[in-house]
Order: sequence, then C-alpha cells, then structure tokens
Amino acid sequence: GAGVSQSPRYKVTKRGQDVALRCDPISGHVSLYWYRQALGQGPEFLTYFNYEAQQDKSGLPNDRFSAERPEGSISTLTIQRTEQRDSAMYRCASRHSLQGPTEAFFGQGTRLTVV
Amino acid sequence: AQSVTQPDIHITVSEGASLELRCNYSYGATPYLFWYVQSPGQGLQLLLKYFSGDTLVQGIKGFEAEFKRSQSSFNLRKPSVHWSDAAEYFCAVARRAAGNKLTFGGGTRVLVKP
Repeated sequence: GAGVSQSPRYKVTKRGQDVALRCDPISGHVSLYWYRQALGQGPEFLTYFNYEAQQDKSGLPNDRFSAERPEGSISTLTIQRTEQRDSAMYRCASRHSLQGPTEAFFGQGTRLTVV
Repeated sequence: AQSVTQPDIHITVSEGASLELRCNYSYGATPYLFWYVQSPGQGLQLLLKYFSGDTLVQGIKGFEAEFKRSQSSFNLRKPSVHWSDAAEYFCAVARRAAGNKLTFGGGTRVLVKP
C-alpha cells in the first residue's frame, strides 16, 4: 500500500476483553515496529520484527501483550484481559531496509480505550 | 540507556516569528537523530533526520535542525512560523545496533498566535 495502515482506527473495549490491533506496513518494508503513546507523552517502544522474526520485545509491559508477524508482512498486536491502564494510542511503523540508516514511516495509529 | 529530553512542554509563538525547539539526548555515541511532527488526529510525520555529515540538516515545511555533538543537542528551527505549524513535535534517536528502534522525547506542543 501507499502508507502504513492500521486498523481499527478507534477501539473501545470493556475491561477484561482481548483486543487485536492490526498493522499493514508499506509493501516491501522489512522491519516493523510497535509503539505505545500515552496522552501527553512521546511514543514508547514495544517490540519490533525483521521479516517474520521478532527481534526485540523488551518494551512489552507484561505477558498480556504479544505480537506476531507470521508471513513477514501484516502484524498483529494482541492485548489479553485488557485493563484501563492499557488505554493509549498504539502506533505501528515500518522501515525499508536492514542495511544502513533509514527512516521509519508511521501509520495513523489505533486509539484504544478500555472502559 | 539512551534518553531524549525536550525541556519545553509548551511553546507559544506569534505567526511570522521564529521558532526553536530544543532537544538533548543522552547516549555514548552519536545516534541517528530525527524530528517528527504530530498534528491533531494525524500520524507522526518525519520532518528531518541526521545520520552523518553536514551538521545542519534541512527538512520539509521550511524546518532545519543543527546537530551539536559537544552539547548532545539537535535543536529544530524555523525562521517564520505559519499557523499550520501548530502541532506537537517529537525529537527521537535511534541506534543501528539496537535495531533502529526509536526513543522519543516527551514532545513540545507549539501554539501559534495570529
């Protein structure tokens, strides 16, 4: 696609429910990143993939959070048993190449509200 | 661990006036440096980036930034602000050795007065 696409754009869920957030990166982009942005703060790193391999999940806050990218393209971030503190903007970004410095392109994000 | 500090949470500037947003980073070596802008309801858009070479970099929308190694700074400037520049601005750093994951500052919200 022309840009990084995230869906849904907005998600309201009840506490305790599971949610799945989807990211469709720019076609051909090798690396895919997930970030979380609380209101009034900068984005914080969650996890990233090169192709289908998860390289770093050090930013995932706890084991309720998981991510996958099974075919090296679309990625899903899953939050199980959601809590109110999970409410935030979740942003996905992709990069073209593993080699050399390249910029990351961001999607418009998914605004998650847990009620 | 690397960190990014944007000392100014809010800045108000008159339209047509100059703008400077400060960014300081903490890291042992020179990371890759970025400035992103976030307009209401929009995603993060890259304004400019520094990887190496000339320490004064030009970006989109008339913005520029200067890397100063001695001060660990990467300040963003615009000579004449337009009302459409009202947004939140984020400085970020990345290291290739860390997978180029970005570490962001807390952001500076810019308000433009007519």
